Amino acid sequence: GAGVSQSPSNKVTEKGKDVELRCDPISGHTALYWYRQSLGQGLEFLIYFQGNSAPDKSGLPSDRFSAERTGGSVSTLTIQRTQQEDSAVYLCASSFGGTGELFFGEGSRLTVL
Amino acid sequence: GDSVTQMEGPVTLSEEAFLTINCTYTATGYPSLFWYVQYPGEGLQLLLKATKADDKGSNKGFEATYRKETTSFHLEKGSVQVSDSAVYFCALSDSGANSKLTFGKGITLSVRP
Repeated sequence: GAGVSQSPSNKVTEKGKDVELRCDPISGHTALYWYRQSLGQGLEFLIYFQGNSAPDKSGLPSDRFSAERTGGSVSTLTIQRTQQEDSAVYLCASSFGGTGELFFGEGSRLTVL
Repeated sequence: GDSVTQMEGPVTLSEEAFLTINCTYTATGYPSLFWYVQYPGEGLQLLLKATKADDKGSNKGFEATYRKETTSFHLEKGSVQVSDSAVYFCALSDSGANSKLTFGKGITLSVRP
């Protein structure tokens, strides 16, 4: 497709379960970002991939969170042993180079019961 | 570290009213500045940007000027429409090779007919 695609759009899980969120960036975009959007908290940076460089993981809130990007394209964000405070909308974005113009997907809404 | 501060919301205006949304930033280098908008049910999208001091970004009748002396990037529109109802985020990208964006908390604008 022409835009950033994220799946699932909605995920409800039980506390303690693992979840995987997928992001398919715009073809040719070298940079990929994950953000978390919580009510009243704005957008919280999680992790950033740029080409073949080591990812910037400085925003990951705990070691339960991890992400990988395979073949410089699709990315998966994994949350292990989910907690209720992980409930949020997880946004993926991609960009071409360092322009600062990010193209966002519509997000994956995670609800942890 | 870098940070962005936006005025508290929500904001409710009548159609054709003048809009100002304040944004100030803290950054160590010479960042690029952005306004992103999230319309109901849609993903975030870039509204406008400015990459150096005194630059003015503009789009869809919105304007913002990069003021280095006051570290501000206030968003303005002379006459808002109902279709401008959305959440507005101010953001910055530092000048280094890592072009991740740091976002403010966002502000919800509602325009009534």
